[in-house]
Formats: sequence, structure tokens, C-alpha cells
Amino acid sequence: AQKVTQAQTEISVVEKEDVTLDCVYETRDTTYYLFWYKQPPSGELVFLIRRNSFDEQNEISGRYSWNFQKSTSSFNFTITASQVVDSAVYFCALSVINMLTFGGGTRLMVKP
Amino acid sequence: ETGVTQTPRHLVMGMTNKKSLKCEQHLGHNAMYWYKQSAKKPLELMFVYSLEERVENNSVPSRFSPECPNSSHLFLHLHTLQPEDSALYLCASSQVTRTSGNTDTQYFGPGTRLTVL
Repeated sequence: AQKVTQAQTEISVVEKEDVTLDCVYETRDTTYYLFWYKQPPSGELVFLIRRNSFDEQNEISGRYSWNFQKSTSSFNFTITASQVVDSAVYFCALSVINMLTFGGGTRLMVKP
Repeated sequence: ETGVTQTPRHLVMGMTNKKSLKCEQHLGHNAMYWYKQSAKKPLELMFVYSLEERVENNSVPSRFSPECPNSSHLFLHLHTLQPEDSALYLCASSQVTRTSGNTDTQYFGPGTRLTVL
């Protein structure tokens, strides 16, 4: 069985601060995919990144960066110089052949 | 229209009503999904239609009935719901192959906010 844990249920930061959202996963499969999604107040889940289990390279996209470490089964997400528009619930998810399992989400509040 | 659309966006219904949620994807995908998101539980997969097969979460009550007439349209028929069924219902789609399974990226619609009185 797969499991995704996002231990931080809520984080509050002030604009321009850096913030890291933690994600720890469990699976016995050697081939899997990891995802991050953003859910703004409008409700739609917005896809941010997809990473397969064989690619441990970190990725940077603008103010967003992701750190994938198989040794600790973690896939953490960092927002640099946070902005008010980053306020949302962020979900980490794990996909094995027929199932996408989500973590409980982290609510990020960025205050001006 | 682009992406994944869902109608209605908001729905209020009584426990004896029958209603349907509609989802349409404009991405050319061949798999569609229903998820339930409630305040008390993480996102929960309810049903999958993929490669002409239906997969369901065995914990979903029979008062929820999905229908997928083609690869672009997905319905969720609701009848005799309970107040605890109040939640955000999200539809998603992805492109799958027999070798990759459902590991491809799922793209979500905006959801239907359902309130059962």
C-alpha cells in the first residue's frame, strides 16, 4: 500500500520569506511517480510537477524548486520569496501503476 | 472550452433528490476519474474509467453511480445522499497506456461543491 504524509497542516509566512513544504512517502514499488499540486481557494487542483522514481535531479522553475531524496523517501517543495498569490493548499501525491495517493495537504498562508 | 470542465459548480440537494454531476475533458485523454474531497479526509479516489475498464474504490456507497458514455464525458449520478456526502467532487483526466498504467499526470476540473441538506 502507498502512503503520503505531509506533516505540516498549516504554515504562515510573511511575503518574501522562503518556505519549504515537506512530503514523505511510503511504497514498496521501485517504479513510481511523485507529484505536487496547488489548490487555490477556487478549488481546482493545479498541476505543478511530476517526477519519476529514477530521476533524483532537483528541479527549479522560477521561484519554485523541488528536492527529491530517495534515501529519505522525501520530495520537498520550496517557494523562494513567497508572494500573497502563493496562498493555497498544496498537495503531494504518489502514483503507482493504477492509483494516485494524496497526502493530507499543507495550507500555506502568505501575509503581506 | 479547454482543460477539464465540471457542471454545476455548486449544488444543494435534499436527501431524497436525484441529481447528476457532469464532467467534460477537452484534452484528448482516455482516462477519467472522480475524487471526493471533504474537510475530514484527504482526497479520496472514487472511480476510474481507464482503457475501457472501470475501477472503483470499494468503500464508495452505492448511492453514487458513475457513468462514462465516451472518453470525453463522465457523470456521477447521486441519489438518496446523506449529509456526510457534502464535499467537493473533483473530476480529472489523463492519458494512459497499457504499459504506463495510470501514472501519467492527471489534470483536474474546478470541482462541484455539493451540499446535502
